[in-house]
Amino acid sequence: RKEVEQDPGPFNVPEGATVAFNCTYSNSASQSFFWYRQDCRKEPKLLMSVYSSGNEDGRFTAQLNRASQYISLLIRDSKLSDSATYLCVVSRNFNKFYFGSGTKLNVKP
Amino acid sequence: GAVVSQHPSWVICKSGTSVKIECRSLDFQATTMFWYRQFPKQSLMLMATSNEGSKATYEQGVEKDKFLINHASLTLSTLTVTSAHPEDSSFYICSVPGGEQDYEQYFGPGTRLTVT
Repeated sequence: RKEVEQDPGPFNVPEGATVAFNCTYSNSASQSFFWYRQDCRKEPKLLMSVYSSGNEDGRFTAQLNRASQYISLLIRDSKLSDSATYLCVVSRNFNKFYFGSGTKLNVKP
Repeated sequence: GAVVSQHPSWVICKSGTSVKIECRSLDFQATTMFWYRQFPKQSLMLMATSNEGSKATYEQGVEKDKFLINHASLTLSTLTVTSAHPEDSSFYICSVPGGEQDYEQYFGPGTRLTVT
């Protein structure tokens, strides 16, 4: 079983829409959770860490559900520039980071 | 955050040759660096953890004799793909852990390797 699983998408949404992605992880000992953004043929960039209490950064909200072992990312008021692949990343001890295969988002005008 | 560079950004080589990829931490001393590989439309897969002054730790299924890692200083790690084959064609990315309690990873821009 994969450490981290994501729906590959693509999610095709119009500008201004709200879109949500989920990610599940298999190891209950996982301690840290992140969402990264990766543009085509570029390196991943940290979008936000995910805290147990949930956290928000502008139009982006991340939630963690330890009982069900999933994390989510909500994007409000989608912009064209949000088009990218969103990677869910999980770490147990900061010596290893496990990446999901990514969810592709296309925001259309 | 840390600034990480990689060189070269892309390389084409013939089957059977070796290719060296450099990963530099420009403003941060890194005792640990990670090397990942990403095939098209797939996830980043950790290949090995590079440890300054000691041997790298390889993930299961990664041949240490084929992917030679050297971490000779706190700012430089190198990955050498020896006797490259077309199936080694991939996007190779290094990262440096950092931030509070090493929560974050700072990625290099990646090296796209094509073996013909």
